[in-house]
Amino acid sequence: QQPVQSPQAVILREGEDAVINCSSSKALYSVHWYRQKHGEAPVFLMILLKGGEQKGHDKISASFNEKKQQSSLYLTASQLSYSGTYFCGTERYSGAGSYQLTFGKGTKLSVIP
Amino acid sequence: GAGVSQSPSNKVTEKGKDVELRCDPISGHTALYWYRQSLGQGLEFLIYFQGNSAPDKSGLPSDRFSAERTGGSVSTLTIQRTQQEDSAVYLCASSLRTGQGASYEQYFGPGTRLTVT
Repeated sequence: QQPVQSPQAVILREGEDAVINCSSSKALYSVHWYRQKHGEAPVFLMILLKGGEQKGHDKISASFNEKKQQSSLYLTASQLSYSGTYFCGTERYSGAGSYQLTFGKGTKLSVIP
Repeated sequence: GAGVSQSPSNKVTEKGKDVELRCDPISGHTALYWYRQSLGQGLEFLIYFQGNSAPDKSGLPSDRFSAERTGGSVSTLTIQRTQQEDSAVYLCASSLRTGQGASYEQYFGPGTRLTVT
């Protein structure tokens, strides 16, 4: 049930672009993206709902392909502040009014000058 | 307003002792989640509360783990007879989710780092 993220790690130079992928074998209700810096709590980036449109936040955007149950996070013109571990969370309806969010193992992104 | 708070921030306990971890969600958030994060690992779902009820306890790793939420606000995660493999950061998150309809972002607390010696 845990979504699979790829790549596991990536190193970028400032200004370069990156794509992080997240795939699930289960039908999804939504996909969440969070970023966690070392020693800190995860911070919300965006949610993509089934049937929804591509979302964007500044130079970070994401898409959700319902047919393939895949989501991709796009980071353009990366900045040093983008460094951290990115987690996708796939949300399924697990019955009795409950929605379970299952996180992938994360993608470690390092942006260097 | 204040974010999600957790206490204690650090807890060192001896194997076999019981521990209680506390979470204060954002005021008005009806949904509350507990996760566990081991060193260098992802986030492992433990339990989800909608109001005071827990429709999904499937993530609790064993019957030594229990959680409750009172007054639709504060939640306590209790680990009985702690084991070394329980050592991890325990994160709490809250959201506006009503149990149906749209999905909402989760706001995480700073976590409690539990070390079992």
